[in-house]
Order: sequence, then C-alpha cells, then structure tokens
Amino acid sequence: QSALTQPASVSGSPGQSITISCTGTSSDVGIYNLVSWYQQHPGKAPKLMIYEVTKRPSGVSDRFSGSKSGNTASLTISGLQAEDEADYYCCSYVGSDTLLFGGGTKLTVL
Amino acid sequence: EVLLVESGGGLVPPGRSLRLSCAASGFTFDDYAMHWVRQPPGKALEWVSGISWNSGTIAYADSVRGRFTISRDNAKTSLFLHVNSLRAEDTALYYCAKDMTRGSLGYYFDYWGQGTLVTVSS
Repeated sequence: QSALTQPASVSGSPGQSITISCTGTSSDVGIYNLVSWYQQHPGKAPKLMIYEVTKRPSGVSDRFSGSKSGNTASLTISGLQAEDEADYYCCSYVGSDTLLFGGGTKLTVL
Repeated sequence: EVLLVESGGGLVPPGRSLRLSCAASGFTFDDYAMHWVRQPPGKALEWVSGISWNSGTIAYADSVRGRFTISRDNAKTSLFLHVNSLRAEDTALYYCAKDMTRGSLGYYFDYWGQGTLVTVSS
C-alpha cells in the first residue's frame, strides 16, 4: 500500500499559521477517525502531537490542531515558532490492524 | 520515566538474519501493545509491525509479512523483531514504540526509543 500523500515541504514566517495536508482514500483516512500526527526534529525520535484526528496529548501546545474532511486530514500550526521547524508525519489506521504513515512534510520557519 | 532502548542492529549482507531487541522500563509493560517503526536514512517513517499486550494479536506491513516476526517477553519487559531474508531496502533505523492505549493493538505511539540501525549491504 502506498504512503499517505503529504506535501514535501511547507514554510511560514514566525507568528503565521500553516496547514499540512494528509490525503488518503475512502478505505483509510476517509472512513477511520484514527489519524495521528508526529513531529520529528533532525536526529531525534518522533513525538506524538495529535491523535484521533483532533486530540492533543498532555503537554502538547494548543497551537497544534488537527482536522479531517473526507479523505484528507490536516495539521494546523498557529503562531509559528522557530522550534516548530521539523518534519511532520501523518499516520492512519488502514484496517486489518495495520497502520500507514504519510511521506512526511518538512516545515521551514522563515 | 518511560524508557525504550533498542539493540541488535548492525551491518549484514543480503539474505541474512538479525534479532532486534527493545528493553522497556518505566511503565507496566504487559498492559500495552508495542510496535516497530522503521525509517530508511533520509526517508519517511514506515510502520512495520505491532503486537498486543498478550501476543494475541499480531500485525505486519505487507512489505515485511512472511520475513519478519514480532514477539515479546512480558516477564523480561522486552520486545523483539526477528528479521529474516534481509534486503537492501530493509536498511533503516528501527524504532521500538509504545502504544498509547492499554490492551489490544492501538493506533498511536506515545513513546519511542532512539532506534537501532540495520544496514543491509554486501
């Protein structure tokens, strides 16, 4: 199964908002509200930022929010900060106890 | 503090096998499902396999099914991945990850190790 589709890169200036999309199909993102988002800084392990499409784990800034429409999930980061510069990955349940990640998006804070 | 420490990676020729291990501490290991996620150098994350708290449910990505075997030893709070018939495309950093939900296989990873590097090359 091919990876979920994410833009290769997005960028924004400090204080701005950006949105990263994650497009799947009607067999995965479209029918399961089981999408998560991970932040990964260079050389570090990923960190869970959003789960179940919209929920934030304890300790994650409320500047991070998630949503979904049809076959596309989205991660929005508001009030961009320099430390938000990282790679971001979406992940969705795709049935039969299996999971699928997106291709990743590199966020650059200008 | 939750701690996941992977080991067992290395440089191996194509066709060979390895056993990756993950030593877990800081939480009740046998309450949670566990997963392996890999990342080829400079590339995206790929979910590899997951195992429920009691090994009753096991799942694999299509790319590794039939070659990789996940297992766990709750008494030793350890997770394993036996990787057989290795191919160049299996070259990656292999992460051990804790499932966020108690019990059966879930969908989110709330703690990750630092990974163990597997390089498949002749």
